[in-house]
Amino acid sequence: AQTVTQSQPEMSVQEAETVTLSCTYDTSENNYYLFWYKQPPSRQMILVIRQEAYKQQNATENRFSVNFQKAAKSFSLKISDSQLGDTAMYFCAFMGYSGGGADGLTFGKGTHLIIQP
Amino acid sequence: GAGVSQSPSNKVTEKGKDVELRCDPISGHTALYWYRQRLGQGLEFLIYFQGNSAPDKSGLPSDRFSAERTGESVSTLTIQRTQQEDSAVYLCASSFSAMEIYEQYFGPGTRLTVT
Repeated sequence: AQTVTQSQPEMSVQEAETVTLSCTYDTSENNYYLFWYKQPPSRQMILVIRQEAYKQQNATENRFSVNFQKAAKSFSLKISDSQLGDTAMYFCAFMGYSGGGADGLTFGKGTHLIIQP
Repeated sequence: GAGVSQSPSNKVTEKGKDVELRCDPISGHTALYWYRQRLGQGLEFLIYFQGNSAPDKSGLPSDRFSAERTGESVSTLTIQRTQQEDSAVYLCASSFSAMEIYEQYFGPGTRLTVT
């Protein structure tokens, strides 16, 4: 079984600053996917970024980028030029390739990110 | 219907009553997933459907929980004889298929409160 750990329950930064959210995971699988989801107060989970483990290049999506360290089993999310709308819970999630989509996502407990004006 | 919808949005029920939660997936998505999110916790995977088949029900918390799906459409999650520990947000997600890893699109969830 795999586990996902997010060690920062809450973070607060000023608008326009850069912030990094940490995530570590444990798995015996070699091929897998990692995700960052955003959950605003509306409860709607929104996919922010995904990374396939076999790809060495770190994924980027506009202001969002990841630092994927496979050997260290670390998957951090960097948000550049943070905006008030980035305030939300952020969840790191794992899905093993061996199960296809059948195993569901394994989530960390989340980091509450607050962007201060 | 552009996204996944869930109903009701909120449900308050008395301990011991049965509740039924509904999920409407995105049209054309054959895979459907149910998750539970307890207060201050991440999401806990409960069960998935590929079409109307749920091959693995071991993730359901107890035998009071059951789920079904009609064709490749609506799914219902039923909790019988609700307990206070069942209080949580229940989220549904759908994806193109469970045969491979595709993006899961989530609904807004149903907040269940058992008094």
